[in-house]
Amino acid sequence: DAGITQSPRYKITETGRQVTLMCHQTWSHSYMFWYRQDLGHGLRLIYYSAAADITDKGEVPDGYVVSRSKTENFPLTLESATRSQTSVYFCASSDYGLAGGEQFFGPGTRLTVL
Amino acid sequence: GDSVTQMEGPVTLSEEAFLTINCTYTATGYPSLFWYVQYPGEGLQLLLKATKADDKGSNKGFEATYRKETTSFHLEKGSVQVSDSAVYFCAPAFKAAGNKLTFGGGTRVLVKP
Repeated sequence: DAGITQSPRYKITETGRQVTLMCHQTWSHSYMFWYRQDLGHGLRLIYYSAAADITDKGEVPDGYVVSRSKTENFPLTLESATRSQTSVYFCASSDYGLAGGEQFFGPGTRLTVL
Repeated sequence: GDSVTQMEGPVTLSEEAFLTINCTYTATGYPSLFWYVQYPGEGLQLLLKATKADDKGSNKGFEATYRKETTSFHLEKGSVQVSDSAVYFCAPAFKAAGNKLTFGGGTRVLVKP
């Protein structure tokens, strides 16, 4: 299927466990992004990537790790999950760089950390 | 620092009512401005954008005008439908943030038949 997909869509885990959220896009967009959405905070940027093997921190990177070995994939790992990381996570991609603004979002992953 | 403020919701309207969602920003320079919409259970999608002063973005009956004087980008629709029920996000691309999008807190809109 064309587009941007995220897996899993729902995940429940326990404090201290490692969790990886997957993101895959079929457009070969250069830029990819990870956001978290929390009530009252809108979306906040966790990490972004301008190309394969190039990643950079966003507004709230602590506790997260990313990698991008292939253009189409951009996994997000919580190395030791905490309750404060309970959130909805969105992956997005863009071929406009940062200035163009239009980003294409995946359907989201709802993560609950018990 | 640069920031964006949009009106809090929820906003509840009847079908065919007029909708306005206020968005104002504080910035050094003139950012590009965007409205994104999130329908229930989905990711965000671009609704409209404006890249310079006095530009008007429009899509699906929604409009927003880049007002440099008042640093605002209010979203309007003249006659809403039940299908417009969603969360709307104002998102400037501040130059100081490397043109990355900064999302407002979102405004939930509920349109009743």
